[in-house]
Amino acid sequence: EAQVTQNPRYLITVTGKKLTVTCSQNMNHEYMSWYRQDPGLGLRQIYYSMNVEVTDKGDVPEGYKVSRKEKRNFPLILESPSPNQTSLYFCASSLRGLKNEKLFFGSGTQLSVL
Amino acid sequence: RKEVEQDPGPFNVPEGATVAFNCTYSNSASQSFFWYRQDCRKEPKLLMSVYSSGNEDGRFTAQLNRASQYISLLIRDSKLSDSATYLCVVRVNTDKLIFGTGTRLQVFP
Repeated sequence: EAQVTQNPRYLITVTGKKLTVTCSQNMNHEYMSWYRQDPGLGLRQIYYSMNVEVTDKGDVPEGYKVSRKEKRNFPLILESPSPNQTSLYFCASSLRGLKNEKLFFGSGTQLSVL
Repeated sequence: RKEVEQDPGPFNVPEGATVAFNCTYSNSASQSFFWYRQDCRKEPKLLMSVYSSGNEDGRFTAQLNRASQYISLLIRDSKLSDSATYLCVVRVNTDKLIFGTGTRLQVFP
């Protein structure tokens, strides 16, 4: 089944404890992206990647890192999480970028930073 | 002013009703337009793209008005299963999508 898989689904952590949210797609998509969703703000892009070894900042990259060593994986790393990073996170992918391409989303990761 | 604005709702409508949502965007150079559907705390899913000529998919009709910079979504014969949040999404360049905050629809029996 074609899908974007995110893990974990829920995560509670404490300030400063490094964490990684994994994202994997099995559709051979070139484009992958991370979003966070907060009440009243909509989805905001954190980082995106047009292909392997190519990553770029989105609108809210501060406090996050990503890597794209393989086409299928695009992990999101929080080196030192803070409470303002408590949010619902979505990974997404598309075949060749955004031009009229459908975005496929993972099922989301609800992160709480205490 | 937000780049993409939607009425948050909720729109509470009975089954069988027709309901319409509008979305306005501020960037006149916006290139592509979409409606996504999101169920509570779940991932957004593409409902339909919006073309200049307007397009229809079953009970759903989407329209684009470039002159006034808005897009609309019309849902006819509402079903209980249509209850969700509808996200207006605008592509402003090759790398960037802007998501609206969504309009919540609640269909009641």
